Amino acid sequence: GNSVTQMEGPVTLSEEAFLTINCTYTATGYPSLFWYVQYPGEGLQLLLKATKADDKGSNKGFEATYRKETTSFHLEKGSVQVSDSAVYFCALCSVEGAQKLVFGQGTRLTINP
Amino acid sequence: KAGVTQTPRYLIKTRGQQVTLSCSPISGHRSVSWYQQTPGQGLQFLFEYFSETQRNKGNFPGRFSGRQFSNSRSEMNVSTLELGDSALYLCASSLGRDSGANVLTFGAGSRLTVL
Repeated sequence: GNSVTQMEGPVTLSEEAFLTINCTYTATGYPSLFWYVQYPGEGLQLLLKATKADDKGSNKGFEATYRKETTSFHLEKGSVQVSDSAVYFCALCSVEGAQKLVFGQGTRLTINP
Repeated sequence: KAGVTQTPRYLIKTRGQQVTLSCSPISGHRSVSWYQQTPGQGLQFLFEYFSETQRNKGNFPGRFSGRQFSNSRSEMNVSTLELGDSALYLCASSLGRDSGANVLTFGAGSRLTVL
């Protein structure tokens, strides 16, 4: 079946450090890929998405590139801020038009000033 | 515009009881889906409704059910509650188009504690 694997957390960085959160997936066909972020006490917010191979999603300084050859969608940011502290989820949707997302286990990120 | 609204935000029940959670989607969104979030299992898909019809269903027992009304509002019900049903239940809405990567907008969730 479809699955998503994220790097284990928690991840703790200093402000202005470079961030990478690894995400790999297993899916049939050509899934769409997403990164969602969850701040304390809130629901999930879409951070970025990519719908086909080599697409790069970007938002708020975060980037991720859909790599079909390595089945990966790693999240990166060049300089993190304290406000980026949250839990990050990688997800895929393998059925076009469907709302059934398969999520990774989440990675808790803490940024220290 | 208003986001996805879930009620209640917090509730406490005892084993064997039942619970109903409500979700009001973003205006114009016709698809509503539900997810269960627990520390052990993470985020798991429960079901999706589109135009009052269940379109997809996850691997949950029949104690978990849902419905959608003509105004797209949705409810989910859990009967005969078990301790393991304690979780954050998230509702998400989207346009529900048949093509393209639909973007889901999530509510803040309903946190259920079963004692």
